[in-house]
Amino acid sequence: DVQLVESGGGVVRPGGSLRLSCAASGFTFDDSAMNWVRQAPGKGLEWVSAINWNGDSTGYADSVKGRFSISRDNAKKSLYLQMNSLRAEDTALYHCARSGPLDDFDIWGQGTMVTVSS
Amino acid sequence: QSVLTQPPSVSAAPGQKVTISCSGSSSNIGNNYVSWYQQLPGTAPKLLVYDNNKRPSGIPDRFSGSKSGTSATLGITGLQTGDEADYYCGTWDSSLSAVVFGGGTELTVL
Repeated sequence: DVQLVESGGGVVRPGGSLRLSCAASGFTFDDSAMNWVRQAPGKGLEWVSAINWNGDSTGYADSVKGRFSISRDNAKKSLYLQMNSLRAEDTALYHCARSGPLDDFDIWGQGTMVTVSS
Repeated sequence: QSVLTQPPSVSAAPGQKVTISCSGSSSNIGNNYVSWYQQLPGTAPKLLVYDNNKRPSGIPDRFSGSKSGTSATLGITGLQTGDEADYYCGTWDSSLSAVVFGGGTELTVL
């Protein structure tokens, strides 16, 4: 089955750090561009970051630029999001999602919850 | 405030048709491809429409997408109670160099 499974979420204090992981299976991970998309409680979708198939091109939303870093390990079929200097407004469910061919997201994980609170 | 504008909610009776609008600008919808997502309560979003009007394998033809200028529309015919969900439009924004989403529309099937 095609699957994305996120992990690494939790409760962290403002200013703290967290590293999220996403394990892929059922499709050719190393051919795929990947993304992180988050959803604050009761709110809509917000694209966070993207990485191309081999990791040499990345993009970030202005809201996380300079604080978050996306990476991947194709040998492990895994995607990562290093989150530093966390703020209360980063509290959200973080989904990893595969890029389709036309700026769409065709495979989604169930998400991992990040709560930033003192 | 979302870059793309969607109505907060729409409703219709079972078996009827509903449309959900998504309004943007020339930097996003006007010059890029639009996709639509369905998010059932407590689940991850699911791709319904990509490339403005194409459906992934397994998506019934009750769901359709269209685009005109800087606006896009999702249509759903033969409404079922199982269609009750939040629906989001999304596209690339060339000015922001980012994917942007609408604020989401909650569909109620009365």
